[in-house]
Amino acid sequence: DVKVTQSSRYLVKRTGEKVFLECVQDMDHENMFWYRQDPGLGLRLIYFSYDVKMKEKGDIPEGYSVSREKKERFSLILESASTNQTSMYLCASSFLGQSDYNEQFFGPGTRLTVL
Amino acid sequence: QQPVQSPQAVILREGEDAVINCSSSKALYSVHWYRQKHGEAPVFLMILLKGGEQKGHDKISASFNEKKQQSSLYLTASQLSYSGTYFCGTEGGSAGGTSYGKLTFGQGTILTVHP
Repeated sequence: DVKVTQSSRYLVKRTGEKVFLECVQDMDHENMFWYRQDPGLGLRLIYFSYDVKMKEKGDIPEGYSVSREKKERFSLILESASTNQTSMYLCASSFLGQSDYNEQFFGPGTRLTVL
Repeated sequence: QQPVQSPQAVILREGEDAVINCSSSKALYSVHWYRQKHGEAPVFLMILLKGGEQKGHDKISASFNEKKQQSSLYLTASQLSYSGTYFCGTEGGSAGGTSYGKLTFGQGTILTVHP
C-alpha cells in the first residue's frame, strides 16, 4: 500500500516563527509536491521536486522554501510564518514520466494555523 | 493558470446523473481527475492522455477533447459514496507536451448526493 505521511495533522504557530512541514513517501517516487488548499481556490502548487536536491517553483512560492536531501523526504519551510499562510497543506508524490502511471498520491494534510 | 471547473457545486438524489466540466486556456497533454471526501486526502480516479480513449470504471467515466482543451467527468446512477469534492488536474508542457507529472488543479466541484 502506497503511503505518503506528513509530520503533523494540526499545527498552531505564532507570526514570525519558522515552521517546518515534513513529508515522507515509501513508493520510491521521483516527484514530490507541496500544495496549499483553501476554500474555493482548489489545490495550488507551492513547490515540487523531481529529484534529490532539485526543486522548481510552483504557482505560489512566495514566503516558502523547500528541501529534499533524500529521495523519500520533502520538507516545506515557512521562514517567517504570517497569518495569510494559515491553510491546509498537502504533500503528494508520483512517478516521473510521460505515461499514464504518474498519478499523484496524497498525504493526509497538515492544517496550519498562524496566530 | 488554473483550469476552470463547472459547476462549482451540484446536489443530486441517489440514482441521478451528473457531469463535471474542466476547461483550460492552454494546450494539454493529460487530464487527471481526483475525488476528495470531507476530511480526507484527494484520491486518484483516472487519467486521460492526449490521443487516448475515453476512460471509465464502475459508473464514473471521463472524456478529453484536446482541440477544445476540455475534459468532462460523467457520474451515472450516483450513489451516496460519490459525495465529495472533485478536482481536475491538467498537465501541459510547452505546446501541449508533457510536464512530467506537474499538474495544475481546478478550484473543485462539490458534489452532494442525498438519499
